[in-house]
Amino acid sequence: GENVGLHLPTLSVQEGDNSIINCAYSNSASDYFIWYKQESGKGPQFIIDIRSNMDKRQGQRVTVLLNKTVKHLSLQIAATQPGDSAVYFCAERKQAGTALIFGKGTTLSVSS
Amino acid sequence: NAGVTQTPKFRVLKTGQSMTLLCAQDMNHEYMYWYRQDPGMGLRLIHYSVGEGTTAKGEVPDGYNVSRLKKQNFLLGLESAAPSQTSVYFCASNRERDGYTFGSGTRLTVV
Repeated sequence: GENVGLHLPTLSVQEGDNSIINCAYSNSASDYFIWYKQESGKGPQFIIDIRSNMDKRQGQRVTVLLNKTVKHLSLQIAATQPGDSAVYFCAERKQAGTALIFGKGTTLSVSS
Repeated sequence: NAGVTQTPKFRVLKTGQSMTLLCAQDMNHEYMYWYRQDPGMGLRLIHYSVGEGTTAKGEVPDGYNVSRLKKQNFLLGLESAAPSQTSVYFCASNRERDGYTFGSGTRLTVV
């Protein structure tokens, strides 16, 4: 099957720390990448995306980094809050018009 | 603006029964998708549609059928439910170059 994986299934941090969630993707031709957040009992929510012609993109408290040389994607969350506790998925798209392929997710736990 | 709406939210089926899951979006999106989510497996694509009247198979299509008779609706059918189809089903939609908007999911249990 496809292989969009995450390096760690779980990550535990203290409130206020910065979190880094990593993802390795499989297809060097993929042109679009997304991070989703999924809280318990809810559908995935869009966090941030990045296209393959970029290596960094920033949002509010979040930054996505793309390293195409090693096919690595990361999500950085600044000043992590308890409300950030969720499962985070990366996803890649091999080409425009095709479906996203999702990784298995990393569970982020934030303790006060 | 409701986004993506899935019905029902919960359902329990007996083995061999049939049912249809409905997904409706009000964003005029061309593309729609059905995924299933199982513990430790992430999201796996069942079927998708690139426009009204079109459907295509995803990664795990067996045991499911879909229809896209109207642009705003994407139906997922189970003709003869099996316990292996116990899962949480998510519908999503998007425009071609954008990320997905997901529904809140349908939790299906087949006994």
